[in-house]
Amino acid sequence: QLQLQESGPGLVKPSETLSLTCTVSGGSISSSSYYWGWIRQPPGKGLEWIGSLYYTGSTYYNPSLKSRVTISLDTSKKQFSLKLRSVTAADTAVYYCASPPRGIVIVPAAMRFDYWGQGTLVTVSS
Amino acid sequence: QSVLTQPPSVSAAPGQKVTISCSGSSSNIGNNYVSWYQQLPGTAPKLLIYDNNKRPSGIPDRFSGSKSGTSATLDITGLQTGDEADYYCGTWDNSLSAGGVFGGGTKLTVL
Repeated sequence: QLQLQESGPGLVKPSETLSLTCTVSGGSISSSSYYWGWIRQPPGKGLEWIGSLYYTGSTYYNPSLKSRVTISLDTSKKQFSLKLRSVTAADTAVYYCASPPRGIVIVPAAMRFDYWGQGTLVTVSS
Repeated sequence: QSVLTQPPSVSAAPGQKVTISCSGSSSNIGNNYVSWYQQLPGTAPKLLIYDNNKRPSGIPDRFSGSKSGTSATLDITGLQTGDEADYYCGTWDNSLSAGGVFGGGTKLTVL
């Protein structure tokens, strides 16, 4: 059973970079036909897809965040990460990492996320 | 404002059936798979339906999904108080602003 755990600062100052890490356990972080995703949820609001990283190395980002976001993979640490630059108060949200199951042929357009971290609240404030 | 439109809220009594709609366009629902998520208060979303109408292991058959044209629906039968939650549809959008999209969410109240 795959388990995901987000970690990172809970408070980030405006204009700085938000950096989060998702640690994967219970399975391999590198596999063919697989992707990792980040989703966020502002307080009291709905889900927003941030982006997905495909096993090929291709990244897919929300157009509204594309100029500020980077998702990357560190297989040696079994982690994938999110960096969001030049944050403002509008970036305050619970951030989730998520992934589909193993052993199936799947592409990021499936938007299938079976496994989720518990979420971490990041507040942008001075 | 999401590109996928869901009713803000629906309600029904225990044991009844409820339908949650998700309306999109040919650039998203019309040409991609739809997934549905349940989010109980204070918890991470949980996948209920993927590929329009498939249930992951462990999801009861009270939950079913369908898609027709540019709209999708989630049906929940035999409502239980534990089903009270927020429900989100999700899919991919192939437009110039390509990427994943979620509906605005629907709050289900079990009366």
